[in-house]
Amino acid sequence: DVKVTQSSRYLVKRTGEKVFLECVQDMDHENMFWYRQDPGLGLRLIYFSYDVKMKEKGDIPEGYSVSREKKERFSLILESASTNQTSMYLCASSRTGGQPNQPQHFGDGTRLSIL
Amino acid sequence: DQQVKQNSPSLSVQEGRISILNCDYTNSMFDYFLWYKKYPAEGPTFLISISSIKDKNEDGRFTVFLNKSAKHLSLHIVPSQPGDSAVYFCAAPGTYKYIFGTGTRLKVLA
Repeated sequence: DVKVTQSSRYLVKRTGEKVFLECVQDMDHENMFWYRQDPGLGLRLIYFSYDVKMKEKGDIPEGYSVSREKKERFSLILESASTNQTSMYLCASSRTGGQPNQPQHFGDGTRLSIL
Repeated sequence: DQQVKQNSPSLSVQEGRISILNCDYTNSMFDYFLWYKKYPAEGPTFLISISSIKDKNEDGRFTVFLNKSAKHLSLHIVPSQPGDSAVYFCAAPGTYKYIFGTGTRLKVLA
C-alpha cells in the first residue's frame, strides 16, 4: 500500500513565523502535490512537483513556496504565516506513465492554525 | 472558473436507501473522472473512476455513471450504510494535476 506521511497532524504557529510542512511518500512516485482544504472551497492546489527540483504553481501559490530535494520528500513553506493561511493542508503523490490518470494518494493532512 | 462542480454541499439519506451524488464539468476534453471519499481528520481516498469511453463503472455498492452529452457524472451508493458518511469529491485530471469539485457531505442516517 502507498504511504504518504505528513510530519504533523496538528500545528499552531504565530503570524509572521516561517512554517515548514513536510511530506514523505514511500512508493517512488514522480508527482507530488500540496493542497489546502477549506469549507465550501474543496481542495485547492497550491504547488506540485513532477520531478526532483522541479516545481509548478497551482491555483493559489501566493504566500507559499515548496522544496523537492529528494524524490520521496516534498516540503511546503509558509514564508511569513498569516491568519488566512489557517487551514487543513493535504499532501498527495501519484505515478506518471503506465496506466493513464493514476489516482493520487493522500496523506492524513495537517491542520494548521495561525494565531 | 470552476471546471468541476458539485452543486449540492450536503445530502442526507436513510440507511439502506440509495445515495446519489452529482458532479458537472465544463471541459469536454476531460477523458477520465475519479471519485474520492474523505473522512474527517483523514486524507481523501480514491474510491472509483470512469473513463470517458464508458458510461458506467461498477465496484460493489458503488457505481459511477457518465453522461458525456450533459457533461454530468453521478456516484450511486446502494445500499447506503452509516460508514459511508463522509465528504465525496469528484475530480478530473489535467496535465499532472487534478481538478477537484468542492465536495458533497453525505450523511447516512441509521
